[in-house]
Amino acid sequence: DAGVTQSPTHLIKTRGQQVTLRCSPKSGHDTVSWYQQALGQGPQFIFQYYEEEERQRGNFPDRFSGHQFPNYSSELNVNALLLGDSALYLCASTLSGQGASSPLHFGNGTRLTVT
Amino acid sequence: QKEVEQDPGPLSVPEGAIVSLNCTYSNSAFQYFMWYRQYSRKGPELLMYTYSSGNKEDGRFTAQVDKSSKYISLFIRDSQPSDSATYLCAMSVGGVSGGYNKLIFGAGTRLAVHP
Repeated sequence: DAGVTQSPTHLIKTRGQQVTLRCSPKSGHDTVSWYQQALGQGPQFIFQYYEEEERQRGNFPDRFSGHQFPNYSSELNVNALLLGDSALYLCASTLSGQGASSPLHFGNGTRLTVT
Repeated sequence: QKEVEQDPGPLSVPEGAIVSLNCTYSNSAFQYFMWYRQYSRKGPELLMYTYSSGNKEDGRFTAQVDKSSKYISLFIRDSQPSDSATYLCAMSVGGVSGGYNKLIFGAGTRLAVHP
C-alpha cells in the first residue's frame, strides 16, 4: 500500500525563482493538504485541495498556489522565492467524508533551500 | 500568543524511563487531538488520535486530553532508544463537511533516550 510520495526530495533555488513541488496521495485518498515546516518549528498549514479545488487556505501569500489533478495528485507552486521560503514542505492526504476516522498521513517532504 | 504551546526541549532520559510530553492550547473549539512522531529527515507519523476529553492507550503510549484545562499529554512507558525523535502535538476544530479540517501544530519536543 503506497503511502504519500513527494518529489523531489531536495531542491536548491535562487531568490526570485519559481518552484513546483509534487505529491501523490496515499492510495484511496482524495484530499491533499500542504504544510510548511521551518527548521525547529511545527508544520504550518498552507492549503487543502479536494475535487480539484482549493477548499481551505492558511495565512500564506498569493505567491503560494496549488493544483490538484483528476487522479488526486497535487502540485505546490511558489513564485518569487524569498530566503524565508527555505523549509521542509510536507504533503498530507486523507479520505474525505470520513471525519474523525480518517486522519492525515504525511509524506517525507521536499527540503527547499533558497539562496 | 500561539494557539498551541509546546516545550521544545530537548528532553534526555535513560532507557526504560517514563516520558511525559505536554501541550497547552488557547482555542476552546479544538475537538480533535493528535500526537505525531517525526524522525530526522522524515515526515510526521501519526501516533495517537483522540476526540474530545479522556484517555487513550496504545501499547506503551497513553494520550490524555483535559479540555477544561486546555492541556494534552502523551506518556511513553518503558522508553527505548528507538523512541528518540521529535514529538509534535496537533489539534483541529474538525467536523467540516467533506473531510478533515486543518491541523494546528505545536513546535515539537525533541526527545533523546539513551541506553
